[in-house]
This record gives sequence, structure tokens and C-alpha cells, in this order.
Amino acid sequence: SQQGEEDPQALSIQEGENATMNCSYKTSINNLQWYRQNSGRGLVHLILIRSNEREKHSGRLRVTLDTSKKSSSLLITASRAADTASYFCATDEVTTDSWGKLQFGAGTQVVVTP
Amino acid sequence: DGGITQSPKYLFRKEGQNVTLSCEQNLNHDAMYWYRQDPGQGLRLIYYSQIVNDFQKGDIAEGYSVSREKKESFPLTVTSAQKNPTAFYLCASSILTTGSGNTIYFGEGSWLTVV
Repeated sequence: SQQGEEDPQALSIQEGENATMNCSYKTSINNLQWYRQNSGRGLVHLILIRSNEREKHSGRLRVTLDTSKKSSSLLITASRAADTASYFCATDEVTTDSWGKLQFGAGTQVVVTP
Repeated sequence: DGGITQSPKYLFRKEGQNVTLSCEQNLNHDAMYWYRQDPGQGLRLIYYSQIVNDFQKGDIAEGYSVSREKKESFPLTVTSAQKNPTAFYLCASSILTTGSGNTIYFGEGSWLTVV
């Protein structure tokens, strides 16, 4: 079953603008990760935020986590055409045999036009 | 280069046939996974393995089978019992850690089409 749900499903912006997408989940988690997928390719890990962290930065990426609302956001600043891709959140649920098996959301498709 | 190699990239299957997708990793990772992705949708876990000669069903294991005879290899067989196999299949691997966060590394995927 899919744990995370991304919002919006699709996003179209111009180069230089910021892109924000959100992820909501249902159960307690150890951590939340964001991945990127170019069309027809595998997924690439972007950033991981642990349940005891509230914000994390990596280059032009900013991730927030609100465990009370069971939600996360990914912000891409100063977007470029090369940022065009689908972005997925993945949650590492707290379970009795927790060892990092991830549940992925349906993704947000981002198109950045020059 | 270290990574995960999936083959073939494109595969066509006739009704009633079994097909096997190959996945090899040279990252020395303990855990390996198979996911299915349908157009415009997220990933669904088919099978996963934490150690050689052991594997567990994921969320949509029906109609699929796997083996883990070697640490670096985790082939997926799509059997004729899988009624709707047309999809994009992704193999992945990770180091096994407990609770501190696994980063999963993905192969480039295999497209399977039923003809």
C-alpha cells in the first residue's frame, strides 16, 4: 500500500521560479526521503530527513518535516530546465521489523520551461 | 563503475509466457528489491530480500517469483499468472541499517509489454 501522497500531481513553472511540492503520510515514520525520476529512468535519491529533524538543506533543495501533521515539503529554488522530472516522497515506517523498507507516493511531475 | 544493472531494457511477452528480468549489483549491498511502476503512478513493492537465500513478499507479489542465490543477483520472473504485467520494473538495493535510514539505489528499469 502507498503511504505517501504528493500534492500537486503536476506542476509547471518557468526557469528561475521556485517549485514547492508536498507529501502527506499516514503512520509514524523513522525518516522520509525524496527521490527524483527522469522520464523512463530509475529513481535517484535527493535527500533524507529523520523524524527528529524539522528542516534540511542540500544545495537548491529545502525539505521540511512536520510529524504532528504527518507532512513534508520539498522546495526547489531557482529552478532550471534540467529540474524537469517526477519527484517522489518515500517513508520508512515504524514497524516491528523496521529496517528501511520504503513506501513511495505517486509523485509530483514538475515541468520547468525555459 | 559501481551500480545496479538491469536487463533487458525492453522486453515483449506473449500471453501465457514466463519472462525473467535480470538485476545485478556490485555495490556489496545486502538488501535488494523489485518495484513495479505503472504510468503516472508511484512504485509498488513486489519482493524484497535482506540476505542470500531468503526473500519476502511485498505488496503485489502475486504472479511473480524471485530467487537470491548470490548476494549480487536478484532476478524477477513474471509468470503467466500475472494478468496485467505490462509495466516498468525497477530493481534496487540498499545497505541494511535499522532505523537510521536506508538510501535505496535504483537500476535504470526494464519495460515489459505483453503482445
